[in-house]
Amino acid sequence: NAGVMQNPRHLVRRRGQEARLRCSPMKGHSHVYWYRQLPEEGLKFMVYLQKENIIDESGMPKERFSAEFPKEGPSILRIQQVVRGDSAAYFCASFRGQQETQYFGPGTRLLVL
Amino acid sequence: DAKTTQPTSMDCAEGRAANLPCNHSTISGNEYVYWYRQIHSQGPQYIIHGLKNNETNEMASLIITEDRKSSTLILPHATLRDTAVYYCIVRTGNNRKLIWGLGTSLAVNP
Repeated sequence: NAGVMQNPRHLVRRRGQEARLRCSPMKGHSHVYWYRQLPEEGLKFMVYLQKENIIDESGMPKERFSAEFPKEGPSILRIQQVVRGDSAAYFCASFRGQQETQYFGPGTRLLVL
Repeated sequence: DAKTTQPTSMDCAEGRAANLPCNHSTISGNEYVYWYRQIHSQGPQYIIHGLKNNETNEMASLIITEDRKSSTLILPHATLRDTAVYYCIVRTGNNRKLIWGLGTSLAVNP
């Protein structure tokens, strides 16, 4: 049973470009969280998605950031017009509806030049 | 803010037990204690979780005090590959989001 997949693992963007981060949850998991981790810090919650629904986006910056989890395909975290402060590791985690444990992917390391 | 406090760092000799403490004095009755670890900026790895009773799995044991205000993660025979940052987390709210502190950086020494 494959774990949570994230791609790309590393992403380099210039200021002003768009970044798209993808997360494929574990088989049978219909809930996804996105977290951001700055260097030397703990993970910070960004958004909680269920298939086709945003459940909680209280951790998402109001501008430039969006997330979706379509009925088919991976969850996407999209960052428009990236700035240097967006450089971080972005992790997604998935879990089954009735199961509490979140399982994490390997992360995408975004570097904005 | 994280609802837990952990020591910033700890050392352990290879082959010995590593005991990692965590304080969560404001934990609510229906909140679980979760432990994850992160090895060198990889994705966090789930270790164990518990509510009231002590728990054990193939990776570790979790000891929760009777008043649930603190807990200890025990790695019975630490190896070099257990060197990581260990996070103690209280799962909060109905949507299960995890609030992360800075964790304990465990160094297992040969």
